[in-house]
Parts: sequence; structure tokens; C-alpha cells
Amino acid sequence: KAGVTQTPRYLIKTRGQQVTLSCSPISGHRSVSWYQQTPGQGLQFLFEYFSETQRNKGNFPGRFSGRQFSNSRSEMNVSTLELGDSALYLCASSFTQETQYFGPGTRLLVL
Amino acid sequence: AQSVSQHNHHVILSEAASLELGCNYSYGGTVNLFWYVQYPGQHLQLLLKYFSGDPLVKGIKGFEAEFIKSKFSFNLRKPSVQWSDTAEYFCAVTGGDDKIIFGKGTRLHILP
Repeated sequence: KAGVTQTPRYLIKTRGQQVTLSCSPISGHRSVSWYQQTPGQGLQFLFEYFSETQRNKGNFPGRFSGRQFSNSRSEMNVSTLELGDSALYLCASSFTQETQYFGPGTRLLVL
Repeated sequence: AQSVSQHNHHVILSEAASLELGCNYSYGGTVNLFWYVQYPGQHLQLLLKYFSGDPLVKGIKGFEAEFIKSKFSFNLRKPSVQWSDTAEYFCAVTGGDDKIIFGKGTRLHILP
């Protein structure tokens, strides 16, 4: 089976812009979770989608949003980018909630 | 709220040394516990997991972890490390709300 794929792998944006990241889960996986990884804060949970519905949400501002499509692919959007949004954004898919498989991540740099 | 603590942020060992990385969590109910590893330039990978049963869990590459419920701990161990074990290790837990919470990670550096 192909693993979790994320596009783009690298992205450079400026403050105030918005960005959309994409994640394709492993075939058959219906749950997709998003995480932000930074050196200072480590891995932080953003949100989880299951069958096109947001099932869980972390403590991030409303500028961070997501959605999931009927084929389980998911997108994450960040509006009005800030310098502090520079991070590695990881997507993980799972068949059950118990074991997640991670993608390579999208490295976002905000200038 | 659930939380996960990894007390060692950086660990430096020589090859063949024994390894123990600490992980403590706070949650009073039933938990599922995980250790993930991220090798330099690679994805996060699942090392091992505990759901129920034998509290001593064997994972890949010779790693094991022991769930001690009374201590809310799930420490990762390996009897003899190799240079290729250099990586960042993350402990994670899911509890009643199914949200997975990660520790901040431990950077392990093995000296050849």
C-alpha cells in the first residue's frame, strides 16, 4: 500500500497570506489528523477528521481550519499567516483511532 | 486534561550502552500508549504500542517498553544501542476522548 502523502513538501509564504496543505491518507483509512511540529512546542494536535466530519480539535486559533472529502483526502488551511506559523505540518491517517501512520510533512516557512 | 511528559530532552550515549527514556502521562482512565521514532530526514514511525494485556511490550529494532499503571509510566528501553538509533523519540497517549497527545520528544545521540 502507498503511504500517506502530503503536498506540497515545502512552501514559503509571507505574513498575511493564506495557505492550503493537502494530505492523501493510506487507502482504506477514513481518519485523518493534522499536527504542527516546531522545535519549541514539539508535536501539537490540530484536528482530526473522520468521514468528512471534524471529530476532534486542538487548541489552535480559528485561522487554522480543515476539511475532508468523500475520498478521505484532507486539506488544511491557514489564513492570515504569522511568522510563528512556520513549522512542519504533519498529517497522519488511521484505520482505527489507535495507530496512526504519518506522512512526510509539509515544511512551511513564513517570511 | 491529558498530558505527556518526557523528562529527558537530550540524551547522549556511546554505542553498546543501555537506554531508558522516561515517559509519564496524566490521565486516570484507560489509555493506549505509543512510542514513535523520527530518524534524521525521515517520517515519524511507530516503534511500539500498548493497548492491553502484557505490560511489557516488544517493538521493532530491539526496543521494548513497560507500562506501569501505578506510576503512570511507559518507559522505553533498549539493552544495547547502536549508532543507527540516533533519532528523536516521542511518547504519545490516547485516553477517553481519543485525542492523541504527544510528549515533546527526546533527542537521542549515539556516539560511534
